[in-house]
Amino acid sequence: NAGVTQTPKFQVLKTGQSMTLQCAQDMNHEYMSWYRQDPGMGLRLIHYSVGAGITDQGEVPNGYNVSRSTTEDFPLRLLSAAPSQTSVYFCASSYSPGQHGYTFGSGTRLTVV
Amino acid sequence: GEDVEQSLFLSVREGDSSVINCTYTDSSSTYLYWYKQEPGAGLQLLTYIFSNMDMKQDQRLTVLLNKKDKHLSLRIADTQTGDSAIYFCAESQRNQGGKLIFGQGTELSVKP
Repeated sequence: NAGVTQTPKFQVLKTGQSMTLQCAQDMNHEYMSWYRQDPGMGLRLIHYSVGAGITDQGEVPNGYNVSRSTTEDFPLRLLSAAPSQTSVYFCASSYSPGQHGYTFGSGTRLTVV
Repeated sequence: GEDVEQSLFLSVREGDSSVINCTYTDSSSTYLYWYKQEPGAGLQLLTYIFSNMDMKQDQRLTVLLNKKDKHLSLRIADTQTGDSAIYFCAESQRNQGGKLIFGQGTELSVKP
């Protein structure tokens, strides 16, 4: 079991560029989420999914798109990168969020210049 | 709306107990969690408590829940330097697709 795998680990983008942050899990988890972490603000939910073909917006969805065509993968797309999107991004997955909580990936550190 | 609040910093001496506090606003929270984040790493689930419980103990960790005041605490007994990390509380709400709302995180510094 690899758990939750995020790629790349580090990325530098220029303002206006687009890119996709990859997230894959091999635990057959239905629930998957994307968070961003900024100093002093904790983790804020960007988008989440309760199963293949189903996604919904979190607290800070603007500037990001997601899709969930398979159970395993939940990519996060930045459409036109802005410096305000400089952050550490975490993907997480869960079989049943109640007592199991979520398993987190190791993160992608993104800098937009 | 939903809000989870934590103090940002806590410093203790090795061997002392640490108490990290959290307040939340959503009375429909079903599960409340404590996560640990070490430098450069993702988040690791430490423990959770169901909303109909008052206390949960797991080795050196004790979670207390005061539903009336919407207050959650994590006590770490015999704190070690390896416990230095950022600790996040999080809540999940009933019928909200399992999404978690996190506090800002408390940075625990353990001095020898």
